[in-house]
Parts: sequence; C-alpha cells; structure tokens
Amino acid sequence: QVQLVQSGAEVRKPGASVKLSCKASGYTFTSYFIHWVRQAPGQGLEWMGVTNPSDGSTTYTQNFQGRVTVTSDTSTTTLYMELTSLTSEDTAVYYCARDSKGPDYWGQGTQVTVSS
Amino acid sequence: DIQMTQSPSSLSAFVGDRVTITCRASQSISNYLNWYQQKPGQAPRLLIYADTNLQSGVPSRFSGSGSGTDFTLTISSLRPEDFATYYCQQSSLTPFSFGQGTKVEIK
Repeated sequence: QVQLVQSGAEVRKPGASVKLSCKASGYTFTSYFIHWVRQAPGQGLEWMGVTNPSDGSTTYTQNFQGRVTVTSDTSTTTLYMELTSLTSEDTAVYYCARDSKGPDYWGQGTQVTVSS
Repeated sequence: DIQMTQSPSSLSAFVGDRVTITCRASQSISNYLNWYQQKPGQAPRLLIYADTNLQSGVPSRFSGSGSGTDFTLTISSLRPEDFATYYCQQSSLTPFSFGQGTKVEIK
C-alpha cells in the first residue's frame, strides 16, 4: 500500500537548520511529484512547494526561495527537505504528500519547533 | 499569486443538515480546485479533486461544483464524522494556495 513516512519531531534554536525526510513506499517513487505543506499551530495550511523525485527539482513558494533545499535519493525512495535560517515563525507541522490527481496520500507530518 | 477566500470561516450545524462551503479565487482557475478535510491531529484528506471529482473512498454525500472563480463544497446530509475543518486549494498556478479553512462544528 502507498505510504509516506516522515521523520520524527525536531527542536532547533533560531538561526539553525533542520533536515526532514519523507520516505515513500508502495508505488513507483519517480512517477509522482511530492508536495510540501506546512501548518503552524492553530493555523491553516500553507503550500511550500512541489518536487519531482526523479531529480529533486522543486518549485518553491517565493517565501521559501533560498531557504529551502529538497534532495531526492531514488535508491532509498526518500526525499529530504532542508530549511535554513529558522525563526519562531517556522514552528509548524511539515507534511509531504504524493500528487496524483491531487495530493492523495499524505505523510503523518513532522513537528518542527524553533525556540531559544 | 492567486488568493483563495473561503466562507464562512466557521459554521454550526446539526447532524443531517445540508452544509455548503464556498471558495472564491482572485482570478480564474478553470476547474483546478481541490477540497480537503482535516481533523485535529491528523493530516489533511483529499475529498474532491479538479472541482467535481470525488476521491476514491470518499462518501457520495460530498460533492463539489463551480468553475472559474467561484466554487462550492456541499455535504448533503451531515454526519457526526464530518465535523472537521475544510480547505480549498487551487492547483492552476504555483504557488498552489489554500483557502483559510472552514471549521464545521456541532450545533
């Protein structure tokens, strides 16, 4: 069955970086793009970008240009998203989601907390 | 960027009620509109894609309509498990923006 399993919760200080993972299974990894969506506490959904797992190329929201890098490891069917220069506003749950006719399968989310 | 505006922001309804949520795009998005349901502590669940298409496994009481800039999600007869927050999202142009959400609560 299709699964996206994300890495565990992270705590970072302001100015630090964090690298999250999203491991796909149950389908052909390179055949479906992956969306990245985050949700701050008590807030709505924020679309961050979409990645082609074949080569890791990603279209990002302007807000994250220069601060987010996504890499793809096709041998382990895992995507990695690194977010740098963290501030308290980056505290959120980060989701990856497979794009079929829409984002149909979602990871369980990774909680990132930025606090001094 | 395309702005998505949902209304209402919240609503209270009885089990069995017909519920309608609207979503307006700041420019035409054709039929590139998805709807999601999210319950507390869970990832969003895709309900409807491309405006009117029911995602596999989603009950038929959910339906979507509209085109261009104005869209509607309808729940024909609200069930207890439908109390959640609902989001629209446009997939016409990046960034694929979401509406701010509509929280459906029990009356």
